[in-house]
Amino acid sequence: AQTVTQSQPEMSVQEAETVTLSCTYDTSESDYYLFWYKQPPSRQMILVIRQEAYKQQNATENRFSVNFQKAAKSFSLKISDSQLGDAAMYFCAAGGGAQKLVFGQGTRLTINP
Amino acid sequence: DSGVTQTPKHLITATGQRVTLRCSPRSGDLSVYWYQQSLDQGLQFLIQYYNGEERAKGNILERFSAQQFPDLHSELNLSSLELGDSALYFCASSAGGGDTQYFGPGTRLTVL
Repeated sequence: AQTVTQSQPEMSVQEAETVTLSCTYDTSESDYYLFWYKQPPSRQMILVIRQEAYKQQNATENRFSVNFQKAAKSFSLKISDSQLGDAAMYFCAAGGGAQKLVFGQGTRLTINP
Repeated sequence: DSGVTQTPKHLITATGQRVTLRCSPRSGDLSVYWYQQSLDQGLQFLIQYYNGEERAKGNILERFSAQQFPDLHSELNLSSLELGDSALYFCASSAGGGDTQYFGPGTRLTVL
């Protein structure tokens, strides 16, 4: 079984600053994948970034990067140069061989102009 | 636009009724997943189909059922609806094991 925990229900950051969202997970799978999804007010679930557990290199997508610490089962998301459009709920998720996703409870990110 | 379509966008119905939610996956994707997002339970996996066959089941109630058709679209049937079934229901699709799941816009179900 997999569990995903996001310990920060809410975060806020000044526009153009950097913010880090935390996520820890637990899994018995040897082959698994980790994701961050963004859910803006439209409620659409949008993929932000993906990390394969077998890859040591941290994934990066433009202003978004992760800090993947496999031994610590930690998977944090760093957003650089925060923009107003980044305001949303952010969900961390884990998927294993069966591929179903287990989600954390989410972190609401507010961007202050 | 993820390429996954869901209909209808909104559904309002009464307790005890039955509804059908429809999902069309991205072109080429064989796997379809259904998730429920409610305020108290968060995002929960319901069921997965792969190329027409059920692959995995999550916390899906017996009142709920799903199927995937030969053209790969999927339907989620919810019956004997209760107030607590009010939620946002997402469909996601992927090419297969290990691939990223792309989500549709969701169907918001309100049970009165």
